Amino acid sequence: AQSVAQPEDQVNVAEGNPLTVKCTYSVSGNPYLFWYVQYPNRGLQFLLKYITGDNLVKGSYGFEAEFNKSQTSFHLKKPSALVSDSALYFCAPREGSSNTGKLIFGQGTTLQVKP
Amino acid sequence: DTEVTQTPKHLVMGMTNKKSLKCEQHMGHRAMYWYKQKAKKPPELMFVYSYEKLSINESVPSRFSPECPNSSLLNLHLHALQPEDSALYLCASSRSEASGNTIYFGEGSWLTVV
Repeated sequence: AQSVAQPEDQVNVAEGNPLTVKCTYSVSGNPYLFWYVQYPNRGLQFLLKYITGDNLVKGSYGFEAEFNKSQTSFHLKKPSALVSDSALYFCAPREGSSNTGKLIFGQGTTLQVKP
Repeated sequence: DTEVTQTPKHLVMGMTNKKSLKCEQHMGHRAMYWYKQKAKKPPELMFVYSYEKLSINESVPSRFSPECPNSSLLNLHLHALQPEDSALYLCASSRSEASGNTIYFGEGSWLTVV
């Protein structure tokens, strides 16, 4: 069965500190990997994706993610957190072997950045 | 521009009402999606349209009826809903159903069934 694990329900960091939101997955083939962010009472916003190539992917708002094939992980990172980064983050692989794979969402991680 | 527009933003309906949610995109995308999301949970896929034809129905109850009048519009018709159907309904689109394409979401329609 396909699955995604975001092991932390909540991550707390101080403003200015680096942040990491973890994601590991068990998806067949070579999945494409996505991160989305959801601010309170808003829809989902696309942050970044990994398709192929460089393992470090840069995205919106200064976020980046590191793909590790051997560990089947795709952790989201940012060098210096902002209070405005506080939101709900979803990791979402998508089957690469299928031409019409569905997004498989993790349970989400709430990021709380304190001033 | 990666905008998916949904109306209304908020809808309150009784269990005997008929209402519709509307979604529009002008990015030339040929795949459109409906998702349902409960508070602080991940979105759940309901329907996928590809080139205006229904491609995926995730065993959604018939009280939800999707419609894709043209390549830019997607509707979700609601009838005889239950209180447990109260949720955020998200519309999304992508260039095509192909897995490498990014799926872009709208701001959602908040539905309350009373």
